[in-house]
Amino acid sequence: GESVGLHLPTLSVQEGDNSIINCAYSNSASDYFIWYKQESGKGPQFIIDIRSNMDKRQGQRVTVLLNKTVKHLSLQIAATQPGDSAVYFCAGPTQGGSEKLVFGKGTKLTVNP
Amino acid sequence: GAGVSQSPSNKVTEKGKDVELRCDPISGHTALYWYRQRLGQGLEFLIYFQGNSAPDKSGLPSDRFSAERTGESVSTLTIQRTQQEDSAVYLCASSLGGGGKDTQYFGPGTRLTVL
Repeated sequence: GESVGLHLPTLSVQEGDNSIINCAYSNSASDYFIWYKQESGKGPQFIIDIRSNMDKRQGQRVTVLLNKTVKHLSLQIAATQPGDSAVYFCAGPTQGGSEKLVFGKGTKLTVNP
Repeated sequence: GAGVSQSPSNKVTEKGKDVELRCDPISGHTALYWYRQRLGQGLEFLIYFQGNSAPDKSGLPSDRFSAERTGESVSTLTIQRTQQEDSAVYLCASSLGGGGKDTQYFGPGTRLTVL
């Protein structure tokens, strides 16, 4: 079946450093990807998405990079803050145009003061 | 504005009992999704409602699981004869049009514990 997966289950960074969270996917027909942030005891919160016709998309302090050649995407968080501590999930459709999302297992980001 | 709400926030039940979980989507959102999240895992798709179309039930793990939605509002997820492996957080999400690229907004989830 289709899969979307994170490379590392945990990531620890110092406050102020940049964070990079990586994700690989298997479905070459996936036409968009989403990054979600989930804080403890809460539901996932949308961060940023990217369409497959783009290589890069920037938001506020976050950048998502998409490399379709190697089926890899990454979320970069600039000047990481303690409030960024959470589990980050990448997600993509089960097939092109599908409403159903496949989620990776998540990377737990810990920001040390 | 009000986001997606779910109730109860926590539910503890005994094995074999039935449970009902409720989701109130964002007003005006025609698409509603249920997911299951086991401890330390990603989200697992369960079921999807879009307007008046027949729901996509392809993610339901067994016939003990069912869900209903009244029009474009409240949805209930029912688990009959609960088993210990049903213990998880059940998350509901809604999106504006269900067009595949509409952002899904999640509720806080219901943590189900089956003893």
